[in-house]
Amino acid sequence: SQQGEEDPQALSIQEGENATMNCSYKTSINNLQWYRQNSGRGLVHLILIRSNEREKHSGRLRVTLDTSKKSSSLLITASRAADTASYFCATALSYNTDKLIFGTGTRLQVFP
Amino acid sequence: GAGVSQSPRYKVAKRGQDVALRCDPISGHVSLFWYQQALGQGPEFLTYFQNEAQLDKSGLPSDRFFAERPEGSVSTLKIQRTQQEDSAVYLCASSSSPGGDYEQYFGPGTRLTVT
Repeated sequence: SQQGEEDPQALSIQEGENATMNCSYKTSINNLQWYRQNSGRGLVHLILIRSNEREKHSGRLRVTLDTSKKSSSLLITASRAADTASYFCATALSYNTDKLIFGTGTRLQVFP
Repeated sequence: GAGVSQSPRYKVAKRGQDVALRCDPISGHVSLFWYQQALGQGPEFLTYFQNEAQLDKSGLPSDRFFAERPEGSVSTLKIQRTQQEDSAVYLCASSSSPGGDYEQYFGPGTRLTVT
């Protein structure tokens, strides 16, 4: 069973716009990670945020974490057509860090 | 440098056949994970190795699924007597640190189709 749910399930925007994806989870976590998956390919790690952190930046990516609401958001600024992909959040539970539990994903389409 | 590789990339099996899927992790990575990804879904955890020790196999769906990593490097996921519900993409990932505490590097996956 999947711990995370992402919202929206699908998102379509124009190049240059910002894209925001949200992830909610159920159980206390050690860290939360975001991954990108292009069609038919493996996943690529984007960013990791630990449970004691509230915000992290990497290039055009900004991730926030609110452990009181058990939620995270991924913001992609100034999107490009190459950002078209599925985006997944994944959590490592605080009581069992042996594995990542993935959400259901957001499919992002960026139109040129 | 070389990333995680998996073979074969595509496998078609008749129902009831046994299959073996191979994963070559990044050299020196202690942790190796197998995930199953159904169409349109996120990956679901199957099993985790730290070096040669299988520390967590809670995600294996049945006793037809078996994984090994005998020398702490290459891993094989074996599925016996395949069923149609086994059709999925099988992803392998490795990490330089134990467990899910750090980023994981994923291979391209093996797409298994059971007919």
